[in-house]
Amino acid sequence: NAGVTQTPKFRILKIGQSMTLQCTQDMNHNYMYWYRQDPGMGLKLIYYSVGAGITDKGEVPNGYNVSRSTTEDFPLRLELAAPSQTSVYFCASMQGIRISTLHFGNGTRLTVT
Amino acid sequence: SQKIEQNSEALNIQEGKTATLTCNYTNYSPAYLQWYRQDPGRGPVFLLLIRENEKEKRKERLKVTFDTTLKQSLFHITASQPADSATYLCALVRPSSNTGKLIFGQGTTLQVKP
Repeated sequence: NAGVTQTPKFRILKIGQSMTLQCTQDMNHNYMYWYRQDPGMGLKLIYYSVGAGITDKGEVPNGYNVSRSTTEDFPLRLELAAPSQTSVYFCASMQGIRISTLHFGNGTRLTVT
Repeated sequence: SQKIEQNSEALNIQEGKTATLTCNYTNYSPAYLQWYRQDPGRGPVFLLLIRENEKEKRKERLKVTFDTTLKQSLFHITASQPADSATYLCALVRPSSNTGKLIFGQGTTLQVKP
């Protein structure tokens, strides 16, 4: 089973460039989340979605955008990349809030220079 | 706002001993608390969930306790093995959440030496 798939695994961006981090899941989960993880700082929620067509901001949404046109896909868009966005990004999905364990992808390591 | 604190210092123990990791939270008691394992270069993997009305949960060599009075969860690995070396994250969700948003601690790195 593929589970949650993130691409690319690594990326280097120059300041001001844009990119989209891809996330797709094959478990038919309604709930999806984007986290960023900085050393020693734990996981911070960027955006989340409770179903196709519905998205909302998390704890650290500035500089990012998301869309959820299908149940499977939840891409994260970075516009005008900044060095502060250097981080490891994790996408996760959840079957439902009653069975509320997260399934994570293996992350995208992004460096902005 | 809710905060979670885990020991930021790495925990080093000898193989065969019991590892105990701590997770403390402030403010409201969560509906439930979860523990995840994260290996280098990989995403976190779910291990155990304990609800607010449960005091203890076990799964093989793993045991989680939940004390809502102390606002603390303890995560134990008995008969630890070098393969248990990883970072362990605790996470909680607030009561009555309809979004499933989890708040994570910063994680504790466990190193089990042979």
